[in-house]
Amino acid sequence: GAVVSQHPSRVICKSGTSVKIECRSLDFQATTMFWYRQFPKQSLMLMATSNEGSKATYEQGVEKDKFLINHASLTLSTLTVTSAHPEDSSFYICSAREGSAENIQYFGAGTRLSVL
Amino acid sequence: DAKTTQPPSMDCAEGRAANLPCNHSTISGNEYVYWYRQIHSQGPQYIIHGLKNNETNEMASLIITEDRKSSTLILPHATLRDTAVYYCIAMNTGNQFYFGTGTSLTVIP
Repeated sequence: GAVVSQHPSRVICKSGTSVKIECRSLDFQATTMFWYRQFPKQSLMLMATSNEGSKATYEQGVEKDKFLINHASLTLSTLTVTSAHPEDSSFYICSAREGSAENIQYFGAGTRLSVL
Repeated sequence: DAKTTQPPSMDCAEGRAANLPCNHSTISGNEYVYWYRQIHSQGPQYIIHGLKNNETNEMASLIITEDRKSSTLILPHATLRDTAVYYCIAMNTGNQFYFGTGTSLTVIP
């Protein structure tokens, strides 16, 4: 299957700092990418849909000014957690949708964010 | 998108077939069924998908009932590395994935 690279895999930061997470589709172009968050022992929760060249669409309850998404090219989307606080500590996962009509999403390995 | 229901957990003996059921009784005609799995602390891995016909690839087989209201993912010879949470998703192409709670499969030596 297609490969999606997510970086960094783990980040520890101080409260109040901002953290950027990158998601790249390595062998296909993705006009649409998605960002998820997963708390321990819970399922993945969709945060936002990222479309190349346009503003992201956020799910209800997700603060767009807190979680900045930029999808500047067909292979790269970034998620910036601004002014991170301990409650933002979570596992963040991106996915990229390949271009066929069958809508398969390929996922990155995830980023473990710990805010101290 | 159709709601899916899966058993919360299952065990399977190593080397035996693992059959994971999924109920999607409200599925509409143009919604695909997708299966993913998530091994602890990793991103979900695509397994297989289908619309009406049964499908098979190098990882698994997908059996969809004729009325499309349920499906079964079959891992023909389960190994310890197949221990994971398995998610069944039914949705329209072009839409987002909403993950349920999945089935936690434990393969027992």
